Amino acid sequence: GIQVEQSPPDLILQEGANSTLRCNFSDSVNNLQWFHQNPWGQLINLFYIPSGTKQNGRLSATTVATERYSLLYISSSQTTDSGVYFCAVEGVYQLIWGAGTKLIIKP
Amino acid sequence: DSGVTQTPKHLITATGQRVTLRCSPRSGDLSVYWYQQSLDQGLQFLIQYYNGEERAKGNILERFSAQQFPDLHSELNLSSLELGDSALYFCASSVGVADYEQYFGPGTRLTVT
Repeated sequence: GIQVEQSPPDLILQEGANSTLRCNFSDSVNNLQWFHQNPWGQLINLFYIPSGTKQNGRLSATTVATERYSLLYISSSQTTDSGVYFCAVEGVYQLIWGAGTKLIIKP
Repeated sequence: DSGVTQTPKHLITATGQRVTLRCSPRSGDLSVYWYQQSLDQGLQFLIQYYNGEERAKGNILERFSAQQFPDLHSELNLSSLELGDSALYFCASSVGVADYEQYFGPGTRLTVT
């Protein structure tokens, strides 16, 4: 089955810093999503991005489908950005999840 | 707010008991998915329904079952509960059966004591 790897596993930054999170996947996919799980456990959709580039405020994402990776950029980090960022790709009728990147933003 | 609702938000029960988790998809979505997230782990797919019919099964235990009703809401039934069933249970919905964006509910946190 499809393998999804995320890096780095942990990231600690000061408020205001920028960061890049990476997601590698082992096979071609028609669906790739980025999620933020906040410290209360809520999963928030960030991007649906099987290919191309999208931006939403301080966040942007790029997926290069031919090279099987996706990047999530967070600029001018805020403490509310803390949590775990998951990349998930669609296998057979299900999302297959990476292990996540745990992001801590210090004030 | 994703538009997907789940009840209850929290559930505490004893080993051996049975519980039912409920999910209402976003308006217009026909697919419902159930996922389990154990402590500090990623999400594991359990099962998918599309317009009332089971479409895909993941690592769902035999003690667990689900269904999707004509009004498209779904229920996940967990029986003979064990300590290891303690987890966050998420429901997601999408418009179609595959390759569509999935939207997640707030989850039900189940604690088995």
